[in-house]
Amino acid sequence: DAGITQSPRHKVTETGTPVTLRCHQTENHRYMYWYRQDPGHGLRLIHYSYGVKDTDKGEVSDGYSVSRSKTEDFLLTLESATSSQTSVYFCAISQGGVPYEQYFGPGTRLTVT
Amino acid sequence: QQQVKQSPQSLIVQKGGISIINCAYENTAFDYFPWYQQFPGKGPALLIAIRPDVSEKKEGRFTISFNKSAKQFSLHIMDSQPGDSATYFCAASTSGTYKYIFGTGTRLKVLA
Repeated sequence: DAGITQSPRHKVTETGTPVTLRCHQTENHRYMYWYRQDPGHGLRLIHYSYGVKDTDKGEVSDGYSVSRSKTEDFLLTLESATSSQTSVYFCAISQGGVPYEQYFGPGTRLTVT
Repeated sequence: QQQVKQSPQSLIVQKGGISIINCAYENTAFDYFPWYQQFPGKGPALLIAIRPDVSEKKEGRFTISFNKSAKQFSLHIMDSQPGDSATYFCAASTSGTYKYIFGTGTRLKVLA
């Protein structure tokens, strides 16, 4: 998985609790992404980062926040988890340039009860 | 205009047959089209990609065909094998944005 780890790999949490997912890379790539994967929707971009402390919203950013204080770490926070945020979350990295392939981590399965 | 439409949703092919998955887009600014393969419980893995300056790219048994005028591209898996059973995603991107728009995925099953 291209030097990408995600933690935790599985998590069950209750509605209304805050949750933080972590993505760690050892590739020193500039770009990092958070996606969610749901049946029938494919992969949808939540937030992405184009450098330390530089982040921007994706297509499904409501209810999520991110932070990137170091090149290697990108955190995704669900401020107050809801059942609609039950999903599999993938982190991806890219070094940019042309072509700009994205490489995905192993995923985190999150269940909100 | 940002959508990438992928079909079929699922596909069953006999071993040795040809698997074909299609994607269509509207945004003519897209200039990079990767395909990803995902096995259950794993993250998507880049399989093959094409830019619109070529009409076809082949890597082993996997071929991307690209039709710029029709705004369509497709993945062909020749001599399909049971080990190819996975979910396949097409995607599209525009230079400088570093963001992908993904199709909704095709679940392929190759029967032994």
